[in-house]
Amino acid sequence: DAGITQSPRHKVTETGTPVTLRCHQTENHRYMYWYRQDPGHGLRLIHYSYGVKDTDKGEVSDGYSVSRSKTEDFLLTLESATSSQTSVYFCAITGAPSTEAFFGQGTRLTVV
Amino acid sequence: GENVEQHPSTLSVQEGDSAVIKCTYSDSASNYFPWYKQELGKGPQLIIDIRSNVGEKKDQRIAVTLNKTAKHFSLHITETQPEDSAVYFCAASATSGTYKYIFGTGTRLKVLA
Repeated sequence: DAGITQSPRHKVTETGTPVTLRCHQTENHRYMYWYRQDPGHGLRLIHYSYGVKDTDKGEVSDGYSVSRSKTEDFLLTLESATSSQTSVYFCAITGAPSTEAFFGQGTRLTVV
Repeated sequence: GENVEQHPSTLSVQEGDSAVIKCTYSDSASNYFPWYKQELGKGPQLIIDIRSNVGEKKDQRIAVTLNKTAKHFSLHITETQPEDSAVYFCAASATSGTYKYIFGTGTRLKVLA
């Protein structure tokens, strides 16, 4: 299995509080992604990174920010959590020579 | 923007029958098309992939076909077994530049014993 770890695995937070999810990889892969998974919507890309300090928005980036200060860590921050951000969040990584994307185990976030 | 449509959203088949899941993509720059299987409580895992210079690829009971002109690709599972029950996702990616992966909305496959 690819070395990719998400933390925390589960979190319950209150509306309006900031939340940071962490994705840590040991594969030295260049590309990292954050997705959210919701029933009926599949996996939707939030933000992605193509190198240290190089990030870009995905299709559902509103309300989320990311940072990547080193190759192994990609942080997803919800500045002020809302109930609509209750979801399962997946981190994925990929990098040459492989094109396969490896996923973490997911973080279940509940905003109450 | 880029979009991947996937059908059907749910599929029930009898054990031993075949299952087919179809996807269409919008970005002409896409050249890599993986399929992922997600079991309950786990992250998606790659089961098969195809590149744009190939029309078909097989791996035991699973196969993927690609029609670049129509921007269609499909997953075929033959001789289905109960352990094939899961959610399947297709995806499209351009393996240059940002390597952005866009996923379909998923198909829940149930194999009835």
